[in-house]
Amino acid sequence: GQQVMQIPQYQHVQEGEDFTTYCNSSTTLSNIQWYKQRPGGHPVFLIQLVKSGEVKKQKRLTFQFGEAKKNSSLHITATQTTDVGTYFCAGRRNAGNMLTFGGGTRLMVKP
Amino acid sequence: NAGVTQTPKFRILKIGQSMTLQCTQDMNHNYMYWYRQDPGMGLKLIYYSVGAGITDKGEVPNGYNVSRSTTEDFPLRLELAAPSQTSVYFCASSIRDRVYNEQFFGPGTRLTVL
Repeated sequence: GQQVMQIPQYQHVQEGEDFTTYCNSSTTLSNIQWYKQRPGGHPVFLIQLVKSGEVKKQKRLTFQFGEAKKNSSLHITATQTTDVGTYFCAGRRNAGNMLTFGGGTRLMVKP
Repeated sequence: NAGVTQTPKFRILKIGQSMTLQCTQDMNHNYMYWYRQDPGMGLKLIYYSVGAGITDKGEVPNGYNVSRSTTEDFPLRLELAAPSQTSVYFCASSIRDRVYNEQFFGPGTRLTVL
């Protein structure tokens, strides 16, 4: 079946440093979504990427979808303590609405 | 709109007990999902539904049952609870769309089986 892997599993950064998490799928995706889960909270949708090579920005967050539509990345510039949480990618194949979630990257920010 | 609501928030079960986790959404979404999240892990799909009266198995359905009698409600039933079912359970919903289908999650139910 489809597998979605995320690295790293954990990342500690000093406030102000940059952060990147990477997502790789074993199969070609129709789109990829990113979610953020604060500690003790539930996943909240951040963004969806659909096109090959697509790049989207949300303030300090930059999302990329690979040319082959099998990988993606999330980059945060100048992290803040409010960025703390676990970031999940979720890949969707052509059939149906089902998402396969990656294992997540837990970001910890030291003030 | 309340979005996706789940009850209870917390529950402790003894091995062999049964319970139903409730999920309701008020966004008129066709699709609903049940996930479990083990500590420090990602989300695993248990069951999903594409509309009232239609349900299907996800990645980890064993030990669970669902029903979807209305668009709004999608309860998850645990029969004969086992310690391996200790987890956080999230219900989610989305619209039926070929391209854009972000999922809206409920606050979760934290279940411990002792």
